Amino acid sequence: SYVLAQPPSVSVAPGETARITCGGNNIGTKSVHWYQQRSGQAPVLVIYFDSDRPSRTPERFSGSNSGNTATLTISRVEAGDEADYYCQVWDLRSGHVFGTGTKVTVL
Amino acid sequence: EVLLLESGGGLGQPGGSLTLSCEASGFRFGEYAMSWVRQAPGKGLEWVSSIRGGGSDKDYADSVKGRFTISRDNSRNTLHLQMNSLRVEDTAVYYCAKDRAVTIRGGDHFDYWGQGTRVTVAS
Repeated sequence: SYVLAQPPSVSVAPGETARITCGGNNIGTKSVHWYQQRSGQAPVLVIYFDSDRPSRTPERFSGSNSGNTATLTISRVEAGDEADYYCQVWDLRSGHVFGTGTKVTVL
Repeated sequence: EVLLLESGGGLGQPGGSLTLSCEASGFRFGEYAMSWVRQAPGKGLEWVSSIRGGGSDKDYADSVKGRFTISRDNSRNTLHLQMNSLRVEDTAVYYCAKDRAVTIRGGDHFDYWGQGTRVTVAS
């Protein structure tokens, strides 16, 4: 089955930049989507098709995808960005696959 | 406004059955694939099942294949998940999610999610 690996946690000071990686075999050949899940809430789509933003996602959020790693970047981090973040792809054999999740802590 | 409202969660016994439902509004329900995604306590997201807009194509995670059945009633804007042969490891919050596209076999994503319904499997 296809596996997506994320770091368990990322800590960042307010105003700084957080980078969350999502590693998978040749993930650069797939479309990667990212979800934010605040504590006790449902997931919310923040980035789709590697780097596109829904209208409700702040411009501070951006994405990239190449080789074996996709990255979600949050610039000028705010307290409200504290959440779990999951990457997601679709794989022919495995169906929809989610990454292991990364907890972003704002210091 | 897209709204997804899940219901049917609760306590189920190992080997037993539960049926989850998701009532959708705010979009042309039959024109989009729909999915179920679950989250065990303290764990990450796990895709469970998807169904094409017209209902002709379905897909399941290996962990539920042969036990769970996804279906939809486009006349009632409702998605269902029939869960049979329940296991303790099926304990999770189950989310209903709207797919961006009508098809289920492609590189697409979930653009709207419900608030989830909690399923606990225990004796």
